[in-house]
Amino acid sequence: DAKTTQPTSMDCAEGRAANLPCNHSTISGNEYVYWYRQIHSQGPQYIIHGLKNNETNEMASLIITEDRKSSTLILPHATLRDTAVYYCIVRVEPRAAGNKLTFGGGTRVLVKP
Amino acid sequence: GAGVSQTPSNKVTEKGKYVELRCDPISGHTALYWYRQSLGQGPEFLIYFQGTGAADDSGLPNDRFFAVRPEGSVSTLKIQRTERGDSAVYLCASSSSPGDTQYFGPGTRLTVL
Repeated sequence: DAKTTQPTSMDCAEGRAANLPCNHSTISGNEYVYWYRQIHSQGPQYIIHGLKNNETNEMASLIITEDRKSSTLILPHATLRDTAVYYCIVRVEPRAAGNKLTFGGGTRVLVKP
Repeated sequence: GAGVSQTPSNKVTEKGKYVELRCDPISGHTALYWYRQSLGQGPEFLIYFQGTGAADDSGLPNDRFFAVRPEGSVSTLKIQRTERGDSAVYLCASSSSPGDTQYFGPGTRLTVL
């Protein structure tokens, strides 16, 4: 699986949009971008994933650049409960071989009042 | 519905002892994964089951670690002759089928004194 690079930490203001960048310049054509988050003392929580088109669900939006070398996770209206470590993961076609998730260090996001 | 559950939530043991950690996946999920998370780091893959069989055990650190899933549902991670370096949070995840979104349990915090 391709390596990802994320900022170590970032702060954002409650009620504002939080934009979390991820670099995956070595991504292959059959690799998806996944985002998980981990709130303190809990297991990782799935947020969203995509291949090349932008995706949106009830939690967040995922914007993938046209060359697929980077992506941004957008939390539209950050709340204090969004404080967590956010992991960007690149993973081969889900139903192909290699079902494990390879986590990096993630971005520690602190939402401030 | 019920999510992934793990027991115990905390386990303290002495160096050299044997421990068992249990994972109850989401009902009907055929794929089950174990990860280990050391303090300040992202989770690391240990082993993946499809049904009763271990499809990928490449992440098990050594032969002191073993996992079973005899009936294709509940799984037990077994650690023999525990060492202080085994102290970590052990996470379990399940997915409805291989490659689908993985849903994580809360983890078992293992402390080896």
